[in-house]
Amino acid sequence: DGGITQSPKYLFRKEGQNVTLSCEQNLNHDAMYWYRQDPGQGLRLIYYSQIVNDFQKGDIAEGYSVSREKKESFPLTVTSAQKNPTAFYLCASFGGQSLERLNTEAFFGQGTRLTVV
Amino acid sequence: AQTVTQSQPEMSVQEAETVTLSCTYDTSESNYYLFWYKQPPSRQMILVIRQEAYKQQNATENRFSVNFQKAAKSFSLKISDSQLGDTAMYFCAFVINNAGNMLTFGGGTRLMVKP
Repeated sequence: DGGITQSPKYLFRKEGQNVTLSCEQNLNHDAMYWYRQDPGQGLRLIYYSQIVNDFQKGDIAEGYSVSREKKESFPLTVTSAQKNPTAFYLCASFGGQSLERLNTEAFFGQGTRLTVV
Repeated sequence: AQTVTQSQPEMSVQEAETVTLSCTYDTSESNYYLFWYKQPPSRQMILVIRQEAYKQQNATENRFSVNFQKAAKSFSLKISDSQLGDTAMYFCAFVINNAGNMLTFGGGTRLMVKP
């Protein structure tokens, strides 16, 4: 079945440590996104990518980094520069390059809950 | 910059009644898609309904329907015959094709369905 997979489901980070969250999709989608969600809050865009080897900063990119070496994969690294990383992280993907070919639904992973210990 | 605003942080409704969630957005583009997503306590995002901006007819999906007012840039969600399982966060979102498929969300509305 086509879908989008995030791992791990739970992640613990020590102070000063970098951690990487995985996001993989087999939907052949061009666009991929990372969002951060704090308790009771909405989704804030961290980074997004429209094509391999290209990505753009979202609203809260500071302290995060991404790569897009393959169409299927869009990993997010939470660096030690991110001072308050405890949050729920959602990865999403969206298809097509023209409105007519768009698979008009964003698919989401099940999320990663990151906690600083 | 494109923005989505949900002006109702929380709402409640009695079971079997009807509730409307509001959403407004701001864009200068004409071709885009609008969505309502549901996020239950499991935090899995579930598509509720979508609307193509070039279609004048309002989308419906069983008990869910939208009131799409393009000129007013408004996209409200009506839930009829509310069920306990409708309790969740609801997010309005839209994507514009020639803005590189930027997917933008509103801040969400927490809906509580009371028995």
